[in-house]
Amino acid sequence: DIVMTQTELSSPVTVGQPASISCRSTQSLEHTDGNTYLSWLHQRPGQPPRLLLYKISKRFSGVPDRFSGTGAGTDFTLKISSVEVEDVGVYYCMQSTQFPYTFGQGTKLEIK
Amino acid sequence: EAQLVETGGDLVQPGGSLRLSCAASGFSVSDTYMNWVRQVPGKGLEWVSIIFRSGGTYYAESVKGRFTIFRDSSKNTVYLQMNSLRSDDTALYYCTRGSGNDWGQGTLVTVSS
Repeated sequence: DIVMTQTELSSPVTVGQPASISCRSTQSLEHTDGNTYLSWLHQRPGQPPRLLLYKISKRFSGVPDRFSGTGAGTDFTLKISSVEVEDVGVYYCMQSTQFPYTFGQGTKLEIK
Repeated sequence: EAQLVETGGDLVQPGGSLRLSCAASGFSVSDTYMNWVRQVPGKGLEWVSIIFRSGGTYYAESVKGRFTIFRDSSKNTVYLQMNSLRSDDTALYYCTRGSGNDWGQGTLVTVSS
């Protein structure tokens, strides 16, 4: 199975400041069809997850442009250019390149 | 607007069975692929199963041979038949469309004597 490992945020983030979360996979996520099926999801407390980005950097419908994704192969990053209060919660990366689909352990974002 | 509503979660004894339902609206479950994902409260996400447009299915190793995913197009509903339940199956079960495009609110399965 592909193991996904996320970094922790070192401290709470101040509103208006940027934040960055990294995700690393144990195998390349590039599919034989040429796509890389790496997604980012956000889960607020008491809510189901919601999709932010898919195929590394494509924003899902309605996702603000302060969220962006970069990376390739085994290393990926989610960036929030200017954190807002509503961004609190847990962020997960997920790979759907190979079965079984697997998630990172989650990274908690707290507001200072 | 796509909506997913999961039902069927309950308290069940180890070794028991349960069938979860995921009723969809705003799209046809036959026109896309659908997943079940579970989450132990306070913990991370675990993918459980998928059903493709073709009807093909895949399962996590931890549920293979015990869980079955299927759909009823006439009811626009996806199901998860769960047999030989174990305590480590206790979780909130979500159904999702595609690669997480849409999620339901989840239904809680508790396996305990």
